[in-house]
Amino acid sequence: DAGVTQSPTHLIKTRGQQVTLRCSPKSGHDTVSWYQQALGQGPQFIFQYYEEEERQRGNFPDRFSGHQFPNYSSELNVNALLLGDSALYLCASSLAMGGDNQPQHFGDGTRLSIL
Amino acid sequence: AQTVTQSQPEMSVQEAETVTLSCTYDTSESDYYLFWYKQPPSRQMILVIRQEAYKQQNATENRFSVNFQKAAKSFSLKISDSQLGDAAMYFCAYRNPMNRDDKIIFGKGTRLHILP
Repeated sequence: DAGVTQSPTHLIKTRGQQVTLRCSPKSGHDTVSWYQQALGQGPQFIFQYYEEEERQRGNFPDRFSGHQFPNYSSELNVNALLLGDSALYLCASSLAMGGDNQPQHFGDGTRLSIL
Repeated sequence: AQTVTQSQPEMSVQEAETVTLSCTYDTSESDYYLFWYKQPPSRQMILVIRQEAYKQQNATENRFSVNFQKAAKSFSLKISDSQLGDAAMYFCAYRNPMNRDDKIIFGKGTRLHILP
């Protein structure tokens, strides 16, 4: 039973560039959430996708956007990269109708470094 | 807005001993979930234990247990018989099931060192 998978594992970009991160949810899950974890900090919620639509997003600018595909996989896009975007980006999946207490399952993350 | 505070950036414990990690949170809701997640150097966020606010009984998972004090908004994690594999970052987290987006709010974490 495959868990949450993210690609790539590491990525190095320069300021001003654009990046796309990918996530495949755990088998049977239909909801994907994205988090940004800066060095030494806890993860911060970016947004969540369900039924190919974005739900309420966290306090992140419009440079952060995403997409969910019919197979429930998701992409996180960041435009006009800033040095402050350097972080570990975590993807978590869950089942929307799984009940209130079912946990989100996290992937290993993508480490994004901005030079 | 809900917040989660972990006041211990780092802690150390001798192998086989017991350690308690502290967490406080702020919310105006009466129904919510609290979690402790473990993040080893492999980076994957692993759920350690979960507590539902409407349950008075403290959750227990093998060597891991919590002390949930709802009135004080306190949620500490006790690790008994510490093992080398317990070394990791530990995050306290909050989730309000009434939030449609199902987001989790994390504290800044406590780095736990296990001394052999």
